[in-house]
Amino acid sequence: DVKVTQSSRYLVKRTGEKVFLECVQDMDHENMFWYRQDPGLGLRLIYFSYDVKMKEKGDIPEGYSVSREKKERFSLILESASTNQTSMYLCASSPWRNDQPQHFGDGTRLSIL
Amino acid sequence: DQQVKQNSPSLSVQEGRISILNCDYTNSMFDYFLWYKKYPAEGPTFLISISSIKDKNEDGRFTVFLNKSAKHLSLHIVPSQPGDSAVYFCAASAGGSQGNLIFGKGTKLSVKP
Repeated sequence: DVKVTQSSRYLVKRTGEKVFLECVQDMDHENMFWYRQDPGLGLRLIYFSYDVKMKEKGDIPEGYSVSREKKERFSLILESASTNQTSMYLCASSPWRNDQPQHFGDGTRLSIL
Repeated sequence: DQQVKQNSPSLSVQEGRISILNCDYTNSMFDYFLWYKKYPAEGPTFLISISSIKDKNEDGRFTVFLNKSAKHLSLHIVPSQPGDSAVYFCAASAGGSQGNLIFGKGTKLSVKP
């Protein structure tokens, strides 16, 4: 079974803080993704990576950056957290082929106070 | 501009009956379609997928139908069980998209005993 592990289930931070969300997958997948889920808006793609050190912007990259130094690990960084970044953050991974499903972690519920 | 639309935010069904969840898309380049199920405070779980070369795919109680001319797909759950109560997301991808999925906003299914 594919295992995608997100480092924290719940996180509370203050505005202006730099926040790191970590994600690790154990299936040697090439692709990794970061989404946020908000009520009524579904899943929106923030960034994705299809290889080590490669990254591409998704639909809502503003205020975020990412890092992929190793194939199994994909980090999402909130450079200066703001209250409108309070959300559920979901990491996913998939093989390089686009006819394979993405597999998700359990999510991180992030609150910015 | 929403490329994947789930027009029903919620659906309520009696246990044992059929649940039909609908999804429409606008991008004719989409060639791979998926359904995910999501419980609160968990990540989405992959349910079933269908390639554009097929019009039906079945897995146990779950069947996905694809009507390419109408740009419409549906998920049938028969018989519905209370444990099926969750939010269901439809997603689609296009060839060469590096596995990027476009998600609908979800339909909350409630199966009443």
